[in-house]
Amino acid sequence: AIQLTQFPSSLSASVGDRVTITCRASQGISSALAWYQQKPGKAPKLLIYDASSLESGVPSRFSGSGSGTDFTLTISSLQPEDFATYYCQQFNNYPYTFGQGTKLEIK
Amino acid sequence: EVQLLESGGGLVQPGGSLRLSCAASGFTFSSYAMSWVRQAPGKGLVWVSIISNRGGITFYADSVKGRFTISRDNSKNTLYLQMNSLRAEDTAVYYCAKDDYGVKGRGLFDYWGQGTLVTVSS
Repeated sequence: AIQLTQFPSSLSASVGDRVTITCRASQGISSALAWYQQKPGKAPKLLIYDASSLESGVPSRFSGSGSGTDFTLTISSLQPEDFATYYCQQFNNYPYTFGQGTKLEIK
Repeated sequence: EVQLLESGGGLVQPGGSLRLSCAASGFTFSSYAMSWVRQAPGKGLVWVSIISNRGGITFYADSVKGRFTISRDNSKNTLYLQMNSLRAEDTAVYYCAKDDYGVKGRGLFDYWGQGTLVTVSS
């Protein structure tokens, strides 16, 4: 199975900061990568698909980049509602796999 | 508005069985593949299984293969997960998720249910 490693595992930041989360795949997955946001007690929400495409309704401060094995999620200016856990997910091969998550906390 | 509503979770003893359901509305259910994804308490997301739009193609994670069965009833707009020989490590919130692509799906989940908790314990 393809392993996805996210870093950092946790991150403290302030409102207005620019933050970047990285996801590294154990083998190439082309652009078959998605990013999800999950808040406590809630279902995940799709933010980015195909590595860099913004899901409809998601604010433009979220962006994704990368291909092959290295990917990033960037939030250009953190808002209070962005504090959550973020997961990357590959859908290039079965079994579909997720990264371990990055918890974004308020500094 | 797309809605996915899971049900059927609860407390079950090791070795027991449980069937989860996911009632779908707000989209043409029979046109999309569907998946189950689980999340153990305090842990990350793990994909469990996928079924094609008509039910003819299924795939499973190795950890549940041979114990879990995914199915669907398009006439009832409902997805199912039959879970047998349950183990403590199956304890998790189980989410149903709509694939963004029809037919056999591509593993990209654009809508999720709120989840149902399965607890396997004696």
